[in-house]
Amino acid sequence: DSGVTQTPKHLITATGQRVTLRCSPRSGDLSVYWYQQSLDQGLQFLIQYYNGEERAKGNILERFSAQQFPDLHSELNLSSLELGDSALYFCASSPVRVATGELFFGEGSRLTVL
Amino acid sequence: ILNVEQSPQSLHVQEGDSTNFTCSFPSSNFYALHWYRWETAKSPEALFVMTLNGDEKKKGRISATLNTKEGYSYLYIKGSQPEDSATYLCASISSNTGKLIFGQGTTLQVKP
Repeated sequence: DSGVTQTPKHLITATGQRVTLRCSPRSGDLSVYWYQQSLDQGLQFLIQYYNGEERAKGNILERFSAQQFPDLHSELNLSSLELGDSALYFCASSPVRVATGELFFGEGSRLTVL
Repeated sequence: ILNVEQSPQSLHVQEGDSTNFTCSFPSSNFYALHWYRWETAKSPEALFVMTLNGDEKKKGRISATLNTKEGYSYLYIKGSQPEDSATYLCASISSNTGKLIFGQGTTLQVKP
């Protein structure tokens, strides 16, 4: 158990819908990372937050948004869903601003868009 | 090198064989290099994080080296066991982007 909690574990929805994925980092970790793993793809970096502020941004679609709240949990919002958004979404946390230490990964949220 | 690249993509070895994988990453503005082990139906777990050129790290039968000047890292597994079967990911962060970027991974299958 990494100490990172992601909910929901599985989600099935329809095209055009909106979903929210939630991540609770390890106690004391200030950084939260979001990654997307689509079929036959590696982990694609979406976004990183540190202590409530956006720190680094990857190729995150405009239909996607994220935020980190004062209690340090983070949410990834996916809207106007398309079939291609079906993927495993991982959240990871670390105690520091820059990844000079290991990331701790949650178990992922598997999104299926029908 | 603009992205993080790993080779080979997959590897099948016999139990007891030693093996190694390569991770290539942008050498300019290098900040840190991570190795993770990812077993099927689980989440990635860290093996090593290396920051200094010439770093060598070891955990049991697994070790890694780092060359930041030429932008590569090797992961070695000595005497592979079936439980070593997993996908091994490397990730690099550079100081100018601040993004931790993963390679596609090397999938290792160890046959008993």
